Amino acid sequence: DAGVIQSPRHEVTEMGQEVTLRCKPISGHNSLFWYRQTMMRGLELLIYFNNNVPIDDSGMPEDRFSAKMPNASFSTLKIQPSEPRDSAVYFCASSTSGGQGETQYFGPGTRLLVL
Amino acid sequence: SQKIEQNSEALNIQEGKTATLTCNYTNYSPAYLQWYRQDPGRGPVFLLLIRENEKEKRKERLKVTFDTTLKQSLFHITASQPADSATYLCALSTNAGKSTFGDGTTLTVKP
Repeated sequence: DAGVIQSPRHEVTEMGQEVTLRCKPISGHNSLFWYRQTMMRGLELLIYFNNNVPIDDSGMPEDRFSAKMPNASFSTLKIQPSEPRDSAVYFCASSTSGGQGETQYFGPGTRLLVL
Repeated sequence: SQKIEQNSEALNIQEGKTATLTCNYTNYSPAYLQWYRQDPGRGPVFLLLIRENEKEKRKERLKVTFDTTLKQSLFHITASQPADSATYLCALSTNAGKSTFGDGTTLTVKP
């Protein structure tokens, strides 16, 4: 299995621009999670989906952030407009259906720098 | 509010010794707890999971304990090796699969 695939791996953009991060979960996994990691705040859960439906988006910082999962094999996290404080590593993770003992498998992350 | 604390940001030990990492939490009743390893520039990788009704789990040189009364988990690496050097994260999870991660402890094993 290829594991969780994220693209791009690195993104440098200017403040105010739209940024779209992409994730392909492991085939057969039906839970998907978006995290953000910074030195100051550690690894934070932004949103997670179960069977393509958003279950908890309480971690999404503000309306500038949106996430979609149009099908079981693809998800996007969009930031519009981007700000320098959005600079972080964004991880996507997937797992089998929610329930006890569900290990999350993380992708390699997208390193975002907003200038 | 929920809080997860992992002991000291950095832990330095000599090769061959046992490393012990601590994860304490408050205002949380997790269904299970997981430990992950993260290397620089990479995503976290799952190591061990322990459920709320379990006291101890082992996997090769790794051992995790879970005390829901003390609200604490201990993670042990025996016969440590330089290759064990990494950041270790604990994560508390609900039955719905939502996980909250600690800030991590960076372990350095010196030869």
